Amino acid sequence: QITLKESGPTLVKPTQTLTLTCTFSGFSLSTTSMGVGWIRQPPGKAPEWLALIYWDDAKRYSPSLESRLTITKDTSKNQVVLTMTNMGPVDTATYFCAHTYSLRLDAFDVWGQGTMITVSS
Amino acid sequence: DIQMTQSPSSLSASVGDRVTITCRASQNIINYLHWYQQKPGKAPNLLIYAASTLQSGVPSRFSGSGSGTGFTLTITSLQPEDFATYYCGQSYGTPTFGQGTEVEIK
Repeated sequence: QITLKESGPTLVKPTQTLTLTCTFSGFSLSTTSMGVGWIRQPPGKAPEWLALIYWDDAKRYSPSLESRLTITKDTSKNQVVLTMTNMGPVDTATYFCAHTYSLRLDAFDVWGQGTMITVSS
Repeated sequence: DIQMTQSPSSLSASVGDRVTITCRASQNIINYLHWYQQKPGKAPNLLIYAASTLQSGVPSRFSGSGSGTGFTLTITSLQPEDFATYYCGQSYGTPTFGQGTEVEIK
């Protein structure tokens, strides 16, 4: 059974850097075709994809946010870390990590519970 | 970015009704189209991937169809637990989601 859980601060000040950790179980990110993505969802709005990292360390980023994002993985710890620089109020959202599998055309098939991040001074 | 447009944005339906939600892509995405259900305060839940393949554990009253730029999610015989918001999402290019369809109780 695949599970994922996000962790990180709940409150971030404007201009600060956000660091989020996704800790997962039930699969290995060293297994062919596996991936972990980050998606955020502002209150009352649709989800927005942020970044994705694959088993072979390939990385993809949202073009509109690429300059602010870094995604890394620690296979030994079963963790994926997302950093987002220069946070602002518009970045207030629930941040989710989710599992993907290329044989399901990279659909996000299992999601974490999400963590609400508020950006405020 | 590939834009995903869902319609309607909301609908009211009764238990037992047949419900259809459409999703249109701004360019050909072949079958890289997925449907998610989200309930308040919860993460989205994958219902259908690759346009028409039912995710394991999802009731068979959910079905998906379409290819290219036009896709449909159908719920036959709506159940009380189906009242939620539904999103389409594509993974052909940079992943994007539709704006959502809220299914409310009539």
